[in-house]
Amino acid sequence: GAGVSQTPSNKVTEKGKYVELRCDPISGHTALYWYRQSLGQGPEFLIYFQGTGAADDSGLPNDRFFAVRPEGSVSTLKIQRTERGDSAVYLCASSLRGQGSELFFGEGSRLTVL
Amino acid sequence: QKEVEQDPGPLSVPEGAIVSLNCTYSNSAFQYFMWYRQYSRKGPELLMYTYSSGNKEDGRFTAQVDKSSKYISLFIRDSQPSDSATYLCAMTAGGTSYGKLTFGQGTILTVHP
Repeated sequence: GAGVSQTPSNKVTEKGKYVELRCDPISGHTALYWYRQSLGQGPEFLIYFQGTGAADDSGLPNDRFFAVRPEGSVSTLKIQRTERGDSAVYLCASSLRGQGSELFFGEGSRLTVL
Repeated sequence: QKEVEQDPGPLSVPEGAIVSLNCTYSNSAFQYFMWYRQYSRKGPELLMYTYSSGNKEDGRFTAQVDKSSKYISLFIRDSQPSDSATYLCAMTAGGTSYGKLTFGQGTILTVHP
């Protein structure tokens, strides 16, 4: 399809493990965003990429979280030493150019840390 | 105190009712105001978008922004069972931070046939 694609859709891991979540944005979209949505809450901003560079990573909660977008298309969110509090739906969104452009969200990756 | 406050509901109405959803906010820098609809286990999708104060209408949906009161509303006329979803308000200061949205908690709406 032509929408934002996220994999895996579900991930169950144990406390302390490393996790990678992948986002494939809409073709041609230069801006990419990661958000985190806890149960019963609205999404919270994590990080914004314009092209290959992280333009704003002010929402990353701590240094266990890291994201990359090496070729300006696919992005990976990496979480080290997972904690139970990391359990949430991780949403990716892309937009055509960032400033002033509508965000299109994927269906999210549901992470459960046991 | 959250930057954006939204009554989580849940809200249950009969088909055909008028629905009113609201958010208040505290950050005066917010200039762009959106309403997103989120179905269960899906990502949010943009429903309405307003810049600064004023009203905007799109079919059965009307969005209102009152910046002086820091209050935004979404009205749904002739509600349908297919409108049953979580409605999220979102806002941003714009500029290079346009996509850095601050969301409300979301209001769960159920429309009964």
